[in-house]
Amino acid sequence: NAGVTQTPKFQVLKTGQSMTLQCAQDMNHEYMSWYRQDPGMGLRLIHYSVGAGITDQGEVPNGYNVSRSTTEDFPLRLLSAAPSQTSVYFCASKTTGGSDTQYFGPGTRLTVL
Amino acid sequence: GDSVTQMEGPVTLSEEAFLTINCTYTATGYPSLFWYVQYPGEGLQLLLKATKADDKGSNKGFEATYRKETTSFHLEKGSVQVSDSAVYFCALSRLQGAQKLVFGQGTRLTINP
Repeated sequence: NAGVTQTPKFQVLKTGQSMTLQCAQDMNHEYMSWYRQDPGMGLRLIHYSVGAGITDQGEVPNGYNVSRSTTEDFPLRLLSAAPSQTSVYFCASKTTGGSDTQYFGPGTRLTVL
Repeated sequence: GDSVTQMEGPVTLSEEAFLTINCTYTATGYPSLFWYVQYPGEGLQLLLKATKADDKGSNKGFEATYRKETTSFHLEKGSVQVSDSAVYFCALSRLQGAQKLVFGQGTRLTINP
């Protein structure tokens, strides 16, 4: 099992550019989510999905889009990058039990100039 | 809404010292409680969890007890090692709905030899 994988590890964008952060898991988990980590603020939920074809907004969804066409993949799209989106992004997955452990990917460090 | 408050860091200790990192939460009902650890350059990994009042989670010498009366989940370790240097996050998750993790701001721990 590779667990949760994310690509790229690092990315630098210019304001207004678009890009997609990739996330994949091989544990057949129904629940997947995206968080951003900013200094002194812990991690905040951007979007989540409880299964293929189902997505919903988290705490800080503005500026981000997601889709879930397969159980394995949950890409995060930045349509027009802004400096405020400079952050470290983590993808996570779990089964749908409420107390079940979330498994995190290694993260993508994004800088928007 | 739900929230988690952690002891502010950074915390610096000598090897073999006793560690406490305080964590309190605000939530209605009975959330599950977690401690996650993030080693330098890596994603988050679960350290321990507790799913109901008075449960004690433990792993790698770390312990935390779910105290509903004080809404707390303090992390303790009797004798820390240099390898425990990391950022520690307290988090809660509800059993229903979005099942998202709500994180504290994180506490950076440095252990000196």
